Amino acid sequence: KAGVTQTPRYLIKTRGQQVTLSCSPISGHRSVSWYQQTPGQGLQFLFEYFSETQRNKGNFPGRFSGRQFSNSRSEMNVSTLELGDSALYLCASRNQGLEQFFGPGTRLTVL
Amino acid sequence: AQSVSQHNHHVILSEAASLELGCNYSYGGTVNLFWYVQYPGQHLQLLLKYFSGDPLVKGIKGFEAEFIKSKFSFNLRKPSVQWSDTAEYFCAVSFSGGYNKLIFGAGTRLAVHP
Repeated sequence: KAGVTQTPRYLIKTRGQQVTLSCSPISGHRSVSWYQQTPGQGLQFLFEYFSETQRNKGNFPGRFSGRQFSNSRSEMNVSTLELGDSALYLCASRNQGLEQFFGPGTRLTVL
Repeated sequence: AQSVSQHNHHVILSEAASLELGCNYSYGGTVNLFWYVQYPGQHLQLLLKYFSGDPLVKGIKGFEAEFIKSKFSFNLRKPSVQWSDTAEYFCAVSFSGGYNKLIFGAGTRLAVHP
């Protein structure tokens, strides 16, 4: 069974731009969560989607948003990029159990 | 606020040494506990998990962890480490009502020297 896939793997943007990251969960998984990983703050929860509904949200500004489609694929968007948004963005999917399976991440660099 | 603490940020061991990484969380209710590992250049992988039942859980690659509810701890152990265990280890907790929200510790970088 294929794992969680994330595209693109690397992105370079400049301040003020916006970016959209994509995540395809493991087939059959309906829950998708997003995390931000930085050297300073570690791994922080962004939000979780289940059946196209946002079920939980972390403490990030409104510039960070997401959505989930009917096929469970998810996207997250960051608008008005800041230097501090440079990070590895991880997506995780989950089936009916409690275990989350992580993708390889998208490395975003903001210049 | 709910939080997870990992006591050691960097650990250096020689091969065959024993490993114990500490993890404590702050929450008095029901928790689900996880240890993830991130090998260099690879994505996060689950080592082991605890939901309920026997507080001593065994994971992959010879790792085990013990849940001590009275101490709010979930320490990771391995009796004999190998060079291939060099990685970063993250303790994570999900709390009742938090659905899939995982709260991670800061991570412990383990370097194993041959």
